[in-house]
Amino acid sequence: NAGVMQNPRHLVRRRGQEARLRCSPMKGHSHVYWYRQLPEEGLKFMVYLQKENIIDESGMPKERFSAEFPKEGPSILRIQQVVRGDSAAYFCASSPGSRAGHYEQYFGPGTRLTVT
Amino acid sequence: SQQGEEDPQALSIQEGENATMNCSYKTSINNLQWYRQNSGRGLVHLILIRSNEREKHSGRLRVTLDTSKKSSSLLITASRAADTASYFCATDEAGNTPLVFGKGTRLSVIA
Repeated sequence: NAGVMQNPRHLVRRRGQEARLRCSPMKGHSHVYWYRQLPEEGLKFMVYLQKENIIDESGMPKERFSAEFPKEGPSILRIQQVVRGDSAAYFCASSPGSRAGHYEQYFGPGTRLTVT
Repeated sequence: SQQGEEDPQALSIQEGENATMNCSYKTSINNLQWYRQNSGRGLVHLILIRSNEREKHSGRLRVTLDTSKKSSSLLITASRAADTASYFCATDEAGNTPLVFGKGTRLSVIA
């Protein structure tokens, strides 16, 4: 059973470009979470999705950021018009349960975004 | 919003010694989880302890939870160099809210 997969592992974008980060949850998991981690910091929650639904996006910046989890295919975190401050590691996690904090989360290896 | 706060921020010990890390939080929780992160990697789940539990063991790991003090501790016994990593606690408020992670404790185990 493959774990959570994220790609790309490293992504370099110039200011103003778009970044697309992909996450495939563990088989059988329909709950996906995205986090951002700055150096020497903990993870900051961004968004929680189930198939075709955004459940909680309280941690998402209001502009330029969007996320989706379509019926088929991976979850996508999209950052438009990237700025240097978007440089960070973005982690995806999945869980089998329906309540966000009640189950352990399985993390992917992360995508390191560098904005030049 | 609440946040788990780990203490100490960094810890350096000799191989074979025990390592203790603490986590404090602010509001009522359903459960508290501990995760490990090796440098440049994703997080790995270690233990989940529910609010009605006081202690839990997994191999060389021992986690305690004191809901009256809103604190938890993670003890790693007989540490190994491979235990070198950052350790995070994560909490959820009573309800259906996302996990909130602390900034972590960076543990270095010296061989």
